Amino acid sequence: AQTVTQSQPEMSVQEAETVTLSCTYDTSESDYYLFWYKQPPSRQMILVIRQEAYKQQNATENRFSVNFQKAAKSFSLKISDSQLGDAAMYFCASGTYKYIFGTGTRLKVLA
Amino acid sequence: NAGVMQNPRHLVRRRGQEARLRCSPMKGHSHVYWYRQLPEEGLKFMVYLQKENIIDESGMPKERFSAEFPKEGPSILRIQQVVRGDSAAYFCASSTPADTEAFFGQGTRLTVV
Repeated sequence: AQTVTQSQPEMSVQEAETVTLSCTYDTSESDYYLFWYKQPPSRQMILVIRQEAYKQQNATENRFSVNFQKAAKSFSLKISDSQLGDAAMYFCASGTYKYIFGTGTRLKVLA
Repeated sequence: NAGVMQNPRHLVRRRGQEARLRCSPMKGHSHVYWYRQLPEEGLKFMVYLQKENIIDESGMPKERFSAEFPKEGPSILRIQQVVRGDSAAYFCASSTPADTEAFFGQGTRLTVV
């Protein structure tokens, strides 16, 4: 069975500092994608960053970057220069046409 | 280009009633996915549909739940004889055949009283 595990239910970071959210996964797929989604209180699912599993280079989107370790099946998200607007639930997901989501990490940003 | 539109945003039903949730995919998208999010949990895949076809319903409960995506009009997730345990946020996502990314709607929060 495919699984995604987020072991940190909650994290806090000081504004302007850096925080890393952890995610591990297990899949039998040979070709798949990995995602980080942000869910603010509005409930909207916002794609933060995406990684193709066949690419070794880590994806980067502005202040957001991932550390993708395929052999270890690890896909962590690093948020640099944290802002108050980054406060939200963050979900890691893997899959092809259907996604398996983790249980989420609640990120608090302290002013 | 409007995003994925779900309505209603909030739906309250009494136990035993039927709930109908609608999803209009993004323009040009022919693939629709439904997910359910229970309180304090991640999203769980329910069903994957293309126009007039159910491709994968492995996440759908065996009873009371059905989904369709007709040739014309929105995709519908139908829950018959709702129970308290059906209370959740239901998300729809859509994509084109070539997309590796699905775009999510804002969800419908169903409350069963």
